Amino acid sequence: QKEVEQDPGPLSVPEGAIVSLNCTYSNSAFQYFMWYRQYSRKGPELLMYTYSSGNKEDGRFTAQVDKSSKYISLFIRDSQPSDSATYLCAMPSQGGSEKLVFGKGTKLTVNP
Amino acid sequence: KAGVTQTPRYLIKTRGQQVTLSCSPISGHRSVSWYQQTPGQGLQFLFEYFSETQRNKGNFPGRFSGRQFSNSRSEMNVSTLELGDSALYLCASSRRGNEKLFFGSGTQLSVL
Repeated sequence: QKEVEQDPGPLSVPEGAIVSLNCTYSNSAFQYFMWYRQYSRKGPELLMYTYSSGNKEDGRFTAQVDKSSKYISLFIRDSQPSDSATYLCAMPSQGGSEKLVFGKGTKLTVNP
Repeated sequence: KAGVTQTPRYLIKTRGQQVTLSCSPISGHRSVSWYQQTPGQGLQFLFEYFSETQRNKGNFPGRFSGRQFSNSRSEMNVSTLELGDSALYLCASSRRGNEKLFFGSGTQLSVL
């Protein structure tokens, strides 16, 4: 079983839509979770970082963690064309916290 | 504050050759990690260095190696290149290695 699973999409939405991106994970020992955004021809950039269950909000972005279901989500409100990118979930691997394991990424396109 | 710098940005090599990629971390960051990104496998962890010591290593063959210098700059080397080594190689730095990573833009390696 893979440590992290993420629906690759692609996902295409109209501008202003609410976007929901999701990952499931297998290791209940994972303590913190991250979402990265990667634009074409760029490296990933950290978008959200959360330790615990529940919600964390930052502007139009909300990260949600459900440890009982081993499920994490990223919601984007009022999506903009500039949000078009690939979104990757990440968490420290059971092989060591220095090693992050990433989902394969969901490619999002927001159409004006 | 300057970000993570990777050189070169693009590289074309032929099978059997070797290649060295370079990474300069953010000032003050002592941890450098390397990841390989391909469309099929996504982001995969190669290794992580902290204060010139390799602390963790991914499941890659011994042809992949790295090192870190006293100024935290890092290099990775791939010997006897294979076609399957074509990928985007990403370097990331952080203060301690088990937290938020800051990625460079990567080196796109093409093996012909």
